[in-house]
Amino acid sequence: QGQLVQSGAEVKRPGASAKVSCQASRYTFTDHYIHWVRQAPGQGPEWMGWINTYNGDKYFARSFQGRVTLTRDTSITTVYVELSGLRSGDTATYFCARDRGKGDIGVFDLWGQGTEVIVSS
Amino acid sequence: QSVLTQPPSASGTPGQRVTISCSGSSSNIGSNSLIWYQRLPGTAPKLLIYLNNQRPSGVPDRFFGSRSGTSGSLAISGVQSEDEADYYCATWDDSVGGVVFGGGTKLTV
Repeated sequence: QGQLVQSGAEVKRPGASAKVSCQASRYTFTDHYIHWVRQAPGQGPEWMGWINTYNGDKYFARSFQGRVTLTRDTSITTVYVELSGLRSGDTATYFCARDRGKGDIGVFDLWGQGTEVIVSS
Repeated sequence: QSVLTQPPSASGTPGQRVTISCSGSSSNIGSNSLIWYQRLPGTAPKLLIYLNNQRPSGVPDRFFGSRSGTSGSLAISGVQSEDEADYYCATWDDSVGGVVFGGGTKLTV
C-alpha cells in the first residue's frame, strides 16, 4: 500500500532555509509523483508543487516559485523540499503526498506524517 | 483566503445526515473534478472522495460526494462520533495553475 516517512520538526530563524525529507517505501517509488502541501495553524492546506520521481521534472505553485526547491534521490527513494528566505508566515506543518497517478492532479492517496517548521527569531 | 469556500463548522447528532458544501468558480470546480479529504485530530489528511463521487477502498459507504456547476458537497449519511474531524475540498484551478483547497469545515458530532 505504501508509506511516506518525513524528517523531524525544525525551528528556523527568519531568512534561513529549511529542508524536509520524505522517504517512500512499500511501493514503486518512480510510479508516482510526490507533492508537497503545507498547512498553517488554523488555515486550510496550501499546495506547493510536485516532483516527477521518475525523471525529476518539477512544477511549482506560483506563490512559491523562486523560493522552493524540490529534489529526489532515487537510490534511497527520498524526496526533499527546501524553502528559502523563511518568514513567520512559513510556520506550518509540511506534508509530502503521493499522487494517485491516474491523471487526476490533486488526488493524494498517501500522505507523510507531517513535519512542523517553526520560523521564529 | 482559500480559493474554495467552505462553511467553517458543521454539526450533527449520531445517525443524522450531515452535508458540507464547497463553492468555487468556473476555473476550478466548474471544470475539474472535486476531491475531499478528512483530517482527524493529530493526523495527516486522508483521501475520502475523488472524481467527485468515488470512494477509495476502505472509505465507508456513508460518505457521498457530488458536484454541480461551480459547487459541490460532501454528505455523511448516518454520521458517527468517529467522523468528528476537519474536512477539506480540493481541485485543480486552471487560472491559478495549481491545486487549490477549501479552508476546511470542522465537523462536530
